[in-house]
Amino acid sequence: EIVLTQSPATLSLSPGERATLSCRASQSVRSYLAWYQQKPGQAPRLLIYDASNRATGTPARFSGSGSGTDFTLTISSLEPEDFVVYYCQQRSNWPWTFGQGTKVEIK
Amino acid sequence: QVQLVQSGAEVKKPGSSVKVSCKASGGTFSNNAVSWVRQAPGQGLEWMGGIIPIFGTANFAQKFQGRVRITADESTSTVYMELSSLRSEDTAVYYCARDVHFFDPWGQGTLVTVSS
Repeated sequence: EIVLTQSPATLSLSPGERATLSCRASQSVRSYLAWYQQKPGQAPRLLIYDASNRATGTPARFSGSGSGTDFTLTISSLEPEDFVVYYCQQRSNWPWTFGQGTKVEIK
Repeated sequence: QVQLVQSGAEVKKPGSSVKVSCKASGGTFSNNAVSWVRQAPGQGLEWMGGIIPIFGTANFAQKFQGRVRITADESTSTVYMELSSLRSEDTAVYYCARDVHFFDPWGQGTLVTVSS
């Protein structure tokens, strides 16, 4: 099974700052990587699919990049509602797997 | 746009089974797969398995093989996940999601608590 490692586990930033979240795969997942946002008490929400495609309703401040084993989710300017948890997920090989998550917290 | 509506919270004894439903509202699953993902308290997301309702074929993560059953009723656009031999470690929120190899949309989640 493909292991996804997200870093850092926690990212402490201020509103308006740029956030850079990393997801590294144990083997190539080509461009088949998605990013999700999860707010407390809510189901995850798809943000980015296939590494760089914004899902419907995803604000333009969110962007994804990467291919192969190294991926990045960038939030260009943090809004108050962005201080939550983010997960990556690969769809290259069964079983689908998730990273352990990165929490973006207010500094 | 289709929404997924799940059944309510459950409290179960160790060794028993639980069955959670996921109904498509405002549409159908069409020919898409539906997967189940669980999240233990304070933990990350774990894919359990999925089904393509029109075919009725299911796939499971090896960890859950033999303990989870996923079925679909096309006539009511409902998918079911049944987990047996429950133990305390199965306490989690269980989500269904349309699986187009990524997950979108998601159901609201069903809390299953396993406690004696």
